[in-house]
Amino acid sequence: GENVEQHPSTLSVQEGDSAVIKCTYSDSASNYFPWYKQELGKRPQLIIDIRSNVGEKKDQRIAVTLNKTAKHFSLHITETQPEDSAVYFCAAVYSSASKIIFGSGTRLSIRP
Amino acid sequence: NAGVMQNPRHLVRRRGQEARLRCSPMKGHSHVYWYRQLPEEGLKFMVYLQKENIIDESGMPKERFSAEFPKEGPSILRIQQVVRGDSAAYFCASSLGAADTQYFGPGTRLTVL
Repeated sequence: GENVEQHPSTLSVQEGDSAVIKCTYSDSASNYFPWYKQELGKRPQLIIDIRSNVGEKKDQRIAVTLNKTAKHFSLHITETQPEDSAVYFCAAVYSSASKIIFGSGTRLSIRP
Repeated sequence: NAGVMQNPRHLVRRRGQEARLRCSPMKGHSHVYWYRQLPEEGLKFMVYLQKENIIDESGMPKERFSAEFPKEGPSILRIQQVVRGDSAAYFCASSLGAADTQYFGPGTRLTVL
């Protein structure tokens, strides 16, 4: 069935250090992988996404990598700042279904 | 260009009442999705609609829940005879086409007393 596993569930890093969140997906038909950031009480906001024909994508301090063979994808945040504190969700989308299957979330805390 | 709009933002209902949640997609978007988020949990897909059609309702509970997206007006998620377990944040998202990026609304936080 469709499933996305996300680790770790909580992550605390020193300001300025890097944070890495990892996900795996079950259905090889997935071809689109968005990452959402959700602050407390707010809506999920798309921060970066990657499609299956690309192995890596970078946008300033945020990068995502995709290994289709292993069905792994990861989010990397460098030079973390206090405003990066939030819950991050990875997700997989199946083009034939269009629905987003979300991971369980990672609560990222940035220590000053 | 306004984003996805949802109303009400907060809704309180007593057990057994009906809840109606509304979602207006971004301008030009004809694909609407509803997700539910329980406290301290991730988002779970409920239903995917296009104008006047339900495309995928595999995440909808079999009873008491229904959704529509009429030709005119917003998409409606309707919960009949609410129970305490229905308390959650309900998010709507819209996209330009199938499998395109989905943009989320601010959510409706339903509390069942």
